[in-house]
Amino acid sequence: DQQVKQNSPSLSVQEGRISILNCDYTNSMFDYFLWYKKYPAEGPTFLISISSIKDKNEDGRFTVFLNKSAKHLSLHIVPSQPGDSAVYFCAASVSGSARQLTFGSGTQLTVLP
Amino acid sequence: KAGVTQTPRYLIKTRGQQVTLSCSPISGHRSVSWYQQTPGQGLQFLFEYFSETQRNKGNFPGRFSGRQFSNSRSEMNVSTLELGDSALYLCASSFGRDLAKNIQYFGAGTRLSVL
Repeated sequence: DQQVKQNSPSLSVQEGRISILNCDYTNSMFDYFLWYKKYPAEGPTFLISISSIKDKNEDGRFTVFLNKSAKHLSLHIVPSQPGDSAVYFCAASVSGSARQLTFGSGTQLTVLP
Repeated sequence: KAGVTQTPRYLIKTRGQQVTLSCSPISGHRSVSWYQQTPGQGLQFLFEYFSETQRNKGNFPGRFSGRQFSNSRSEMNVSTLELGDSALYLCASSFGRDLAKNIQYFGAGTRLSVL
């Protein structure tokens, strides 16, 4: 039973356009969400996070949106750059209890020059 | 400041053998977590250690075990290897346990192939 789902295994976007990566979750106890980026032969790198008390968090070109009623979050990258090509994982956790992240299966983003 | 170091980077074993993987966290980090990544499955939580004690365990069989030393370095052991154990094993460290206040930093992983 996957509690965090990324239904798009891959996404291709033209350089300079917006990339939108989506993530759905089923566990209503999740209250903290993160996005990680992973290049080949490297470990995942933290990108941006959002607490359930917010619906938006922005950091430079990266914005994460959270829709709690739909149990959906998305990562927007604007403008997309070729260096953004990587696998993006969303993850969720329940604060104050189990200290673990539950990850989605990842989306391969390819930004075409 | 050095990142999370995992050794070895690659391992090839045969079914039935056992294997030990090592993780050196970022200096000062006391929490170490292990994850298994298989194709299409994302990263699945194995266990977390803090102050030499296992604090949390994922849904994996008892063949998977670990430990943490007083210097926060951690080892993970898999006994009686099965073909399905072939995966990338990732270690992550953080200063504290509260993930809303402490970012987990990942190592590059150990790629285990079981033949």
